[in-house]
Amino acid sequence: NAGVTQTPKFRVLKTGQSMTLLCAQDMNHEYMYWYRQDPGMGLRLIHYSVGEGTTAKGEVPDGYNVSRLKKQNFLLGLESAAPSQTSVYFCASSYSLPYEQYFGPGTRLTVT
Amino acid sequence: AQSVTQLGSHVSVSEGALVLLRCNYSSSVPPYLFWYVQYPNQGLQLLLKYTSAATLVKGINGFEAEFKKSETSFHLTKPSAHMSDAAEYFCAVRPPVPTQNSGGSNYKLTFGKGTLLTVNP
Repeated sequence: NAGVTQTPKFRVLKTGQSMTLLCAQDMNHEYMYWYRQDPGMGLRLIHYSVGEGTTAKGEVPDGYNVSRLKKQNFLLGLESAAPSQTSVYFCASSYSLPYEQYFGPGTRLTVT
Repeated sequence: AQSVTQLGSHVSVSEGALVLLRCNYSSSVPPYLFWYVQYPNQGLQLLLKYTSAATLVKGINGFEAEFKKSETSFHLTKPSAHMSDAAEYFCAVRPPVPTQNSGGSNYKLTFGKGTLLTVNP
């Protein structure tokens, strides 16, 4: 099993550009999450999904959109990137509520 | 609302010395607690978890943590540090069961800000 994979690994955007980050998991997990990690801030939840076709806002959702058209994929979109969105983005998945979350390797995004 | 405080953003120990990373939580009910480790340029990996069973939890790589309700703590320890333990460690908390009108808070882990562990030869 590959676990949780993320593409791309690195990306540089200019302010106002758009992009989509892809997360894929092969563990048949129902729940998927997008976090951002910033120095000294820990991880903060952006959006999450509790099943195929569902999405919900997390702690810091502004400026991001998500979609979960297939159970194994969770997409994070930035419609108009801003320098404040420079961060490392992690995707995670879990089987159910009580279970631990498994994390992908991250995507390092720089917005200039 | 739940929260996690990790005391000390940076801990430095000598190889072979005791590792103690502190985590205190705030929650209205006894929560589920987790420790994750992040090696440089990698994602987070689960070290161990407390889900209301035994209060002393053993994890991977020789780490363990003890849930102390009276102290609202879940400190991570390892008797003898190894160079390969150098990494950033995150404590995380979440409620044990869903509650109505939680606004999604049951679906997320609340992370501490992390403690960077340095191991000196």
